[in-house]
Amino acid sequence: EVQLVESGGGVVKPGGSLRLSCAISGFNFSTYSMNWVRQAPGKGLEWVSSINSISNYIYYSDSVKGRFTISRDNAKNLLFLQMNSLRTEDTAVYHCARRWAYGDYGFDSWGQGTLVSVSS
Amino acid sequence: QSALTQPPSVSGSPGQSVTISCTGTSSDVGTFNRVSWYQQPPGSAPKLLIYEVTNRPSGVPARFSGSKSGNTASLTISGLQPEDEGDFYCSSYTSTRTYVFGTGTKVTV
Repeated sequence: EVQLVESGGGVVKPGGSLRLSCAISGFNFSTYSMNWVRQAPGKGLEWVSSINSISNYIYYSDSVKGRFTISRDNAKNLLFLQMNSLRTEDTAVYHCARRWAYGDYGFDSWGQGTLVSVSS
Repeated sequence: QSALTQPPSVSGSPGQSVTISCTGTSSDVGTFNRVSWYQQPPGSAPKLLIYEVTNRPSGVPARFSGSKSGNTASLTISGLQPEDEGDFYCSSYTSTRTYVFGTGTKVTV
């Protein structure tokens, strides 16, 4: 069974840092690009970042570029999101989601998400 | 990276058809056939309904179909069912190698 399980969320003050993790199981991690997608309370989905299977293509949304860093450990089946200089507008549920690396089949599996709350 | 534009809400009776539009630009929807659609039930993670404009993953009912014309993609739900209630989002690949989601549409049956 395909599983993506996020962790690492919590409450942090503006300007602080958090590191999110996404543990995957049930599929060959190295054949998928991975993404972070967030959803602010009561709002829509926002794509945050993507990393390809061998970590040589990495992209960010303009809203997080320079503050967030995506990475992955294929040996441990883990995806990460290091979030620095957090702002109140970063408050959201953060989902990890996979995309097949060799064709565009959409974000075909998602985790349930981890809540990040940025507040003073 | 502006969000794709969707109507805030659509509604229909059981058995009716509804269509959700998703309007982007020539930098995303208009250029790439990499539009996908997602259904998000309340309190749940999104679920993939359509990929590459028209394709349904296995397990997705045939009443969900996708299309595209110019800068606008559309999702049609034919034969609306009560379990179709929820939020629906489109997404597109963009010319800057990023992805963008739509503003979301609430479907009421």
